[in-house]
Amino acid sequence: GAGVSQSPSNKVTEKGKDVELRCDPISGHTALYWYRQSLGQGLEFLIYFQGNSAPDKSGLPSDRFSAERTGGSVSTLTIQRTQQEDSAVYLCASSFDQYHQPQHFGDGTRLSIL
Amino acid sequence: GESVGLHLPTLSVQEGDNSIINCAYSNSASDYFIWYKQESGKGPQFIIDIRSNMDKRQGQRVTVLLNKTVKHLSLQIAATQPGDSAVYFCAERGTGRRALTFGSGTRLQVQP
Repeated sequence: GAGVSQSPSNKVTEKGKDVELRCDPISGHTALYWYRQSLGQGLEFLIYFQGNSAPDKSGLPSDRFSAERTGGSVSTLTIQRTQQEDSAVYLCASSFDQYHQPQHFGDGTRLSIL
Repeated sequence: GESVGLHLPTLSVQEGDNSIINCAYSNSASDYFIWYKQESGKGPQFIIDIRSNMDKRQGQRVTVLLNKTVKHLSLQIAATQPGDSAVYFCAERGTGRRALTFGSGTRLQVQP
């Protein structure tokens, strides 16, 4: 597609459940990033993928968070045993490669934990 | 550590006026800076970027100024329009890092 696509756009789940968020980057972009945005706040880096290199996981807040990127394209962010503090908008971005910015963002998944 | 901050949380301007949104950063090793616009319910939209070897860069109705001496970044919007109303974020990338560090945002309100 023309832009970064994320699904679902909204997700409501109960505390303790696992959730999977999907990101489909811009075609041809080798770098993919996940960020989290809490209400009224800036974006917080979570994880970064570049090609076949090992991902930079330095921003993941706990071991309940994980992400994978299959075939160098689509990425899935998984949150296990969700907590109320996980409620936020999860944004995905992609760029041509790690050297060429800017990062282009999707519209995010709004996650609400009841 | 790295931090990116904004001087004003809300900026209100009259339609047709010029807007200036300011941003301070603390990482002297940052090599890349970028401004995004975010409308309600949408992801950040790229506006303009600048590398640390430049002081100024112009786009369509927008100009970014970088003052590395005082670690200050600004976004100037000429002839502000109602469609410019949004939250604006500055972000920086430190040398050797690939992820961006974002400020907390400034809300721009354009009064008709």
